[in-house]
Amino acid sequence: AQKVTQAQTEISVVEKEDVTLDCVYETRDTTYYLFWYKQPPSGELVFLIRRNSFDEQNEISGRYSWNFQKSTSSFNFTITASQVVDSAVYFCALSGKDDKIIFGKGTRLHILP
Amino acid sequence: DAGVIQSPRHEVTEMGQEVTLRCKPISGHDYLFWYRQTMMRGLELLIYFNNNVPIDDSGMPEDRFSAKMPNASFSTLKIQPSEPRDSAVYFCASSFSGTPHVEAFFGQGTRLTVV
Repeated sequence: AQKVTQAQTEISVVEKEDVTLDCVYETRDTTYYLFWYKQPPSGELVFLIRRNSFDEQNEISGRYSWNFQKSTSSFNFTITASQVVDSAVYFCALSGKDDKIIFGKGTRLHILP
Repeated sequence: DAGVIQSPRHEVTEMGQEVTLRCKPISGHDYLFWYRQTMMRGLELLIYFNNNVPIDDSGMPEDRFSAKMPNASFSTLKIQPSEPRDSAVYFCASSFSGTPHVEAFFGQGTRLTVV
């Protein structure tokens, strides 16, 4: 069975601090995809990044970076120099050979001014 | 493309009434997912379709819930009879299984309140 664990239910940091959101996944599939989504207070789900299981290169997009490590089944998300607009719930998700997309419980991030 | 379109955006109904939620996926997408979001349980996958065929409905909580996809551009999620514990935000999402595998795009959600 597939599973995504986001152990951090809620995090608060002061603006401009760096923050890392953890994601640990379980799957028996050799080919799979990992995702991060952002859900701001307005409620919509916004796609941030997709990673496939064969690409372990870390990725950076502006203040966002992602660290994918198959050895520890982790796909962590770091926000550098956080801003108040980063306040949201962040979801990690997994899709395997059946194309079903399973989400973690989410991490609620508060950026304090 | 306008993205995934869900209707209604908000629904308030009385316990025991039938509720129908609607979804129009992105054109060309061959997967459609229905999710329910609550504070307690997070984002739960209820059911998903591939090429209009239900693939896995193991997440559907009870027989009161049913979903259909009569064609590639329309799906419904029905609750009959509704109960207060069904109150949640229901999301529809669609994706394309081709190469490269594409992420799921979500609709704005339907906030259901059963009183």
